[in-house]
Amino acid sequence: KQEVTQIPAALSVPEGENLVLNCSFTDSAIYNLQWFRQDPGKGLTSLLLIQSSQREQTSGRLNASLDKSSGRSTLYIAASQPGDSATYLCAALRSTSNTGKLIFGQGTTLQVKP
Amino acid sequence: SQTIHQWPATLVQPVGSPLSLECTVEGTSNPNLYWYRQAAGRGLQLLFYSVGIGQISSEVPQNLSASRPQDRQFILSSKKLLLSDSGFYLCAWSAGGTLEAFFGQGTRLTVV
Repeated sequence: KQEVTQIPAALSVPEGENLVLNCSFTDSAIYNLQWFRQDPGKGLTSLLLIQSSQREQTSGRLNASLDKSSGRSTLYIAASQPGDSATYLCAALRSTSNTGKLIFGQGTTLQVKP
Repeated sequence: SQTIHQWPATLVQPVGSPLSLECTVEGTSNPNLYWYRQAAGRGLQLLFYSVGIGQISSEVPQNLSASRPQDRQFILSSKKLLLSDSGFYLCAWSAGGTLEAFFGQGTRLTVV
């Protein structure tokens, strides 16, 4: 059974700092891994998707990496801004799934202080 | 481009009343559709998913049901709400080779 863990649960950093959010999964047989952002009271916004054959994806100041052998993914945020404050969720999709059912971590709540 | 609409945004319902939440997707055909629930302080739990019209799979036993009357319409229902049904309900869709998931803005349900 796939389990996804995100550590830390909360993180507070000063503006401008580079930071890394961690996501670990127990079953390396994944189809893809997706990172989301959730603002309070809102839905999830897809940030980056890494397919199992890829090692990383980049979008602007965000870079996500995937290491299936160690069961880890990281989301790197460069030059953090107060607008980056949100909860970040990672979710894994099993390689045997053709239904797209995601297993989510509990999320990391990020606060970037001005 | 594809969009997903979910309504209402907030809902306060008394215990024992019925529920109907609706989700529609535009700009794609034959998507996989999902209902998730996010309880306070907890992660997202998959409630139902559908790979086609009339095809519904339930992930957890509960007081809720789902239906897919049209290709891009997904409905979450209950005949009699319980206090424990309170939470944040999210609809999502995925399709294509990557199966990337996209979420609606959610419905905050409070059962009183």
